[in-house]
Amino acid sequence: DIQMTQSPSSLFASVGDRVTITCRASQNINNYLNWYQQRPGKAPKVLIYAASNLQSGVPSRFSGSGSGTDFTLTISSLQPEDFATYYCQQIYNTLSSFGGGTKVEIK
Amino acid sequence: EVQLVESGGGLVQPGGSLRLSCAASGFTFSNYNMNWARQAPGKGLEWVSYISNTGGTINYADSVKGRFTISRDNAKNSLYLQMNTLRNEDTAVYYCVREDYSNGWSKFDPWGQGTLVTVSS
Repeated sequence: DIQMTQSPSSLFASVGDRVTITCRASQNINNYLNWYQQRPGKAPKVLIYAASNLQSGVPSRFSGSGSGTDFTLTISSLQPEDFATYYCQQIYNTLSSFGGGTKVEIK
Repeated sequence: EVQLVESGGGLVQPGGSLRLSCAASGFTFSNYNMNWARQAPGKGLEWVSYISNTGGTINYADSVKGRFTISRDNAKNSLYLQMNTLRNEDTAVYYCVREDYSNGWSKFDPWGQGTLVTVSS
């Protein structure tokens, strides 16, 4: 099974900050990597698919990069509605798996 | 509007069984692979099970293999998860999720609102 490791597990940031979250796969997953945002009490929603493709309707301040085993989600200028938990997901095969999550909190 | 609505959650004793259902609408259900994912209280997301659009390919996470069974009825636009021999650690919100495609790339979209399963004596 493919293990996904996210870091950090939590971070404190201010509105306007640039935020970077990393995700590492235990084996090469090419670009089969998605990013999700989950607000408290809500279902996750996809932000980025195939490592760097912005989901329709998602603000352009969100971006993704990486390939192989190392990936990054960047929020260029944090907005109040971005305080949430973010998850990476590998979908290299039909046995998917998620990273442990990164909670972005207000400083 | 694409919609997934789960039902069937509730309180069950350890060792008991429960069957979750997911009603799909707003898209051609038989064209899409589907998944179940779950989230224990205060914890992260865990993928649980996958079923292809025809039901011909099925996979499970090791944590539920041999206890849970995924199925679908394309005529009824419905997805199911039969959960047997439930354990305390199966307590979670269970999400029904469509596997969508953009330019050949897969993503989980959308997610249902979730149904809570509580395993406790």
